[in-house]
Amino acid sequence: QKEVEQDPGPLSVPEGAIVSLNCTYSNSAFQYFMWYRQYSRKGPELLMYTYSSGNKEDGRFTAQVDKSSKYISLFIRDSQPSDSATYLCAMTLGNTNAGKSTFGDGTTLTVKP
Amino acid sequence: GAVVSQHPSWVICKSGTSVKIECRSLDFQATTMFWYRQFPKQSLMLMATSNEGSKATYEQGVEKDKFLINHASLTLSTLTVTSAHPEDSSFYICSAPPWGAPNEKLFFGSGTQLSVL
Repeated sequence: QKEVEQDPGPLSVPEGAIVSLNCTYSNSAFQYFMWYRQYSRKGPELLMYTYSSGNKEDGRFTAQVDKSSKYISLFIRDSQPSDSATYLCAMTLGNTNAGKSTFGDGTTLTVKP
Repeated sequence: GAVVSQHPSWVICKSGTSVKIECRSLDFQATTMFWYRQFPKQSLMLMATSNEGSKATYEQGVEKDKFLINHASLTLSTLTVTSAHPEDSSFYICSAPPWGAPNEKLFFGSGTQLSVL
């Protein structure tokens, strides 16, 4: 079993929809949680990072962490066609460089106009 | 945000030749950089950690003699795929954490698509 499981998708939604992307993990020692967006044939781009349980909001994006359930989510409000990409969750141990994060396999999202 | 520049963005080469990929941090110094490969519809697989001024650290199963890494300055790391073969065809990505937040953030290069004929 993988340390990080991510809903594989693909996910297709109409423009304006609320999107929910999810990851579960098994290692309770993970302390930092990140979401990256990756467009086709490009490097990932950091969207959100959180340290503690709870919600963190940035514009149309909300990252949610529930450490007791070992579950993280990324919500996208008012989704736009430009949000169409693959979204990767990633997690890091407290004393580990983010470069050694454990990544999910990604969820591919398509937002249709 | 910080910028990591990676070149080339794509390269096609003949089997048996060597290919060099460059990764530069443009507006910050990076004592550590990371190299990954990514197969279609799969996540990032860490290959090695590049350390400025010292030898790279390779992940288990990665051939250090095949994937040569050099981190000669605080802003440049290079990955050379030596004697490339078709099975080395993949998307290679570098990353660097910003100074002061190594646990939290990564900035990635734009990736290099390598196709070996």
